[in-house]
Amino acid sequence: GAVVSQHPSRVICKSGTSVKIECRSLDFQATTMFWYRQFPKQSLMLMATSNEGSKATYEQGVEKDKFLINHASLTLSTLTVTSAHPEDSSFYICSAQEGHNEQFFGPGTRLTVL
Amino acid sequence: RKEVEQDPGPFNVPEGATVAFNCTYSNSASQSFFWYRQDCRKEPKLLMSVYSSGNEDGRFTAQLNRASQYISLLIRDSKLSDSATYLCVVNPYNQGGKLIFGQGTELSVKP
Repeated sequence: GAVVSQHPSRVICKSGTSVKIECRSLDFQATTMFWYRQFPKQSLMLMATSNEGSKATYEQGVEKDKFLINHASLTLSTLTVTSAHPEDSSFYICSAQEGHNEQFFGPGTRLTVL
Repeated sequence: RKEVEQDPGPFNVPEGATVAFNCTYSNSASQSFFWYRQDCRKEPKLLMSVYSSGNEDGRFTAQLNRASQYISLLIRDSKLSDSATYLCVVNPYNQGGKLIFGQGTELSVKP
C-alpha cells in the first residue's frame, strides 16, 4: 500500500506552546488529507478535512483557530496545535487519499502537554 | 446515540477459537463500510471492506445487513497475532472520504 509519514512521532511540550505536526504522502499525490484525534480507549475522531490549495473543513466542535491546518502541496499537510494545554494531549493521526481511492493512515503523533 | 456502535469488549479467547464482532450504524444512507485493525499505540490499518453480499478473506468474513444497519466480522481459527482492536468504520453518503469510526472492540487471543 501507499506510504504516509508523520513527523514528529512523539512530542512533549510545555503548556502554552505551539506544536506543528507534518503529514506527508511519500509515493502518491494526496488530493485530500484528513486529521484525526484519538484519546485513550476512544475511537478516532475526525477533526478536519483538507483539500490541497483550499481551506480546511472542520468538524463541529473543533476550533479552527486553535488547530491550524495547511495543505499547501499534494504531498504535505500540517496541523499546528496553538497554545497547547494538557487537555490537548492525544494521539493525532493523519490520513491521505488520492481522488476517491483508499485512505492511508500515517503512524500518528503522540502529543503530551505538560 | 453514537453514529457507529460496537461491542464494548474486551474479548479474551483461546487460540483456534472463532470470534464474532458486531457493529451498528445510525445513518441509513451510509454508503461504504470497513473493518480496520489497530494495534496498541499504532495507526489503524484496513482489514477489509464490507459488501452487501458478504465477503471473505481467508479466516475473516464480513457481513452487511443494510435493512438492520448491522455489520459483522467473523474470525475463524484465531491466532495470537490477531490480538488487536477491531474498528468498525462507515463512510457516510455524500461526504467525500469522511470516515466515522466505532470505538473499537479489543481482542486478546491467548495460547
